[in-house]
Amino acid sequence: DVKVTQSSRYLVKRTGEKVFLECVQDMDHENMFWYRQDPGLGLRLIYFSYDVKMKEKGDIPEGYSVSREKKERFSLILESASTNQTSMYLCASSSPGLAGYNEQFFGPGTRLTVL
Amino acid sequence: GQSLEQPSEVTAVEGAIVQINCTYQTSGFYGLSWYQQHDGGAPTFLSYNGLDGLEETGRFSSFLSRSDSYGYLLLQELQMKDSASYFCAVNRGSNYQLIWGAGTKLIIKP
Repeated sequence: DVKVTQSSRYLVKRTGEKVFLECVQDMDHENMFWYRQDPGLGLRLIYFSYDVKMKEKGDIPEGYSVSREKKERFSLILESASTNQTSMYLCASSSPGLAGYNEQFFGPGTRLTVL
Repeated sequence: GQSLEQPSEVTAVEGAIVQINCTYQTSGFYGLSWYQQHDGGAPTFLSYNGLDGLEETGRFSSFLSRSDSYGYLLLQELQMKDSASYFCAVNRGSNYQLIWGAGTKLIIKP
């Protein structure tokens, strides 16, 4: 059974703190993604990685950074948390397939609250 | 800009058929996917259309018209467990990034 796990389901941090969100997949997928999900806005891509140590900015990378030192692990870092980063964070992974076909497998999400 | 439009909410009756539409405007297009997300859960993949036409998977079907930049998800024989949010997503390039619609909340009444 394929699995994507995230380090925490719920997290509460204070403004200015450095926050680490971790994601691990056991499917040997090349691609990994970090999204944030806010009501009425759908999923917005923060960062994407297609290989170890490789990363690409998504649509909303400001205030975030990522790290991928091992194929199975993709970390999202909030350098200095702010209240507008309160959100649900979803990690996903996928394997390259036919052009256009990209089934993504999601973790359970981390609901982050920044006070 | 790049955008996907889908209704915010649809209501249907158990046992009925419902169609959720999605129109898109993106700089690239490699295919249209549909995902389901129950409250508190993670999105899960439902279907993919890379070419025009209808794809059927059990009670769910998905349709694509690339010339109209339009697709839909058709759910038949609705069950209460189908109450969820449904997202359309476009693969806009060869790097496997998806751009997502805002989601349609499907409410099913007995």
